[in-house]
Amino acid sequence: SAVISQKPSRDICQRGTSLTIQCQVDSQVTMMFWYRQQPGQSLTLIATANQGSEATYESGFVIDKFPISRPNLTFSTLTVSNMSPEDSSIYLCSVARAGGEKLFFGSGTQLSVL
Amino acid sequence: GEDVEQSLFLSVREGDSSVINCTYTDSSSTYLYWYKQEPGAGLQLLTYIFSNMDMKQDQRLTVLLNKKDKHLSLRIADTQTGDSAIYFCAESSDRGSTLGRLYFGRGTQLTVWP
Repeated sequence: SAVISQKPSRDICQRGTSLTIQCQVDSQVTMMFWYRQQPGQSLTLIATANQGSEATYESGFVIDKFPISRPNLTFSTLTVSNMSPEDSSIYLCSVARAGGEKLFFGSGTQLSVL
Repeated sequence: GEDVEQSLFLSVREGDSSVINCTYTDSSSTYLYWYKQEPGAGLQLLTYIFSNMDMKQDQRLTVLLNKKDKHLSLRIADTQTGDSAIYFCAESSDRGSTLGRLYFGRGTQLTVWP
């Protein structure tokens, strides 16, 4: 397995501000992903964080709203920009190794937007 | 979320067996997963099964896969109060989209009564 540290664990933010969530893995991983879990809903993939290049976004998610960085094989950030109450969710970082069928998750960031 | 369905709630007595069911629609699913989410925590990978298998057992956990009916179940033997959590069914498939993308159900809240 992989040890995934995600910060902050929770935050309460004002509408119109931005929050950057960090994901640190204890070893190099090939793939890093960002998921969103809206209240009472299943998890939805936001994007794949690509090392050294732009992230690959899923339908319905755009870079301007959710800019992602991945400067190396152990670290990634997700920014939730210009937040509104609809962005209140749990955001989860997940990782997989090359050829690995296992996807591991961080503990998540509980975001509340007022 | 609509591609993977599971019942939302299950209550059992401590010591009984729990069976959580899941159905999915994609016949090209390669791996199917069960994750556990405790309050305030991220997702913990419990077990997974390759689509060419029909059963996998791991201590108190038994996964059954009926590929013809696209039905997956998780049986927890001798259920304990510590098993109370939300259980997510997820599947991965080669849909021509993102490698490592999982499709999740909405989760089954398992409550274990002492």
